[in-house]
Amino acid sequence: EAQVTQNPRYLITVTGKKLTVTCSQNMNHEYMSWYRQDPGLGLRQIYYSMNVEVTDKGDVPEGYKVSRKEKRNFPLILESPSPNQTSLYFCASSLLGPSTDTQYFGPGTRLTVL
Amino acid sequence: GENVEQHPSTLSVQEGDSAVIKCTYSDSASNYFPWYKQELGKGPQLIIDIRSNVGEKKDQRIAVTLNKTAKHFSLHITETQPEDSAVYFCAALSNTGNQFYFGTGTSLTVIP
Repeated sequence: EAQVTQNPRYLITVTGKKLTVTCSQNMNHEYMSWYRQDPGLGLRQIYYSMNVEVTDKGDVPEGYKVSRKEKRNFPLILESPSPNQTSLYFCASSLLGPSTDTQYFGPGTRLTVL
Repeated sequence: GENVEQHPSTLSVQEGDSAVIKCTYSDSASNYFPWYKQELGKGPQLIIDIRSNVGEKKDQRIAVTLNKTAKHFSLHITETQPEDSAVYFCAALSNTGNQFYFGTGTSLTVIP
């Protein structure tokens, strides 16, 4: 089944403890992206990647890192999480890019930073 | 960067009535405008999209209209059904073609 998977789905952590949220797609998509969703703010793009080893900042990249060492995986790294990063996170992918292909979203990761 | 505004934030309609959600954008160079439906506990799912060279697009009960001059686009759902109840997001793609800007969402409730 073609899908975008995220792990973990739920995570509670403490300020300053490094964490990684994994994202994987099995559709051989070149474009992948991370968003955060907050009440009243909609979805905001954190980082995106056009292909392996190519990443760019989105609208709200501060406090996050990403890597794209292989096409199928696009992990989101929080080196020193803070409470303002408590949010619902979505990974998404599309075949060549969002301007030409449908963007598919993962199921989301709910992160709480205490 | 782009700024996308979406209204209303909540909308309740009777089953069978129509629902309209409106979005405005600020960057006249934006050229792709998708609409996503998000059901509870799930990720957003594309339901319809429109490009700047088209004024209207329909898919069964769903239609999207685009007014480039006024920089606004709208989602129209006709003959609404309870399963249409969800949160709907509009979005605009930046002129670079790689970065998305989303509206703040509309929670639609269809009352049986």
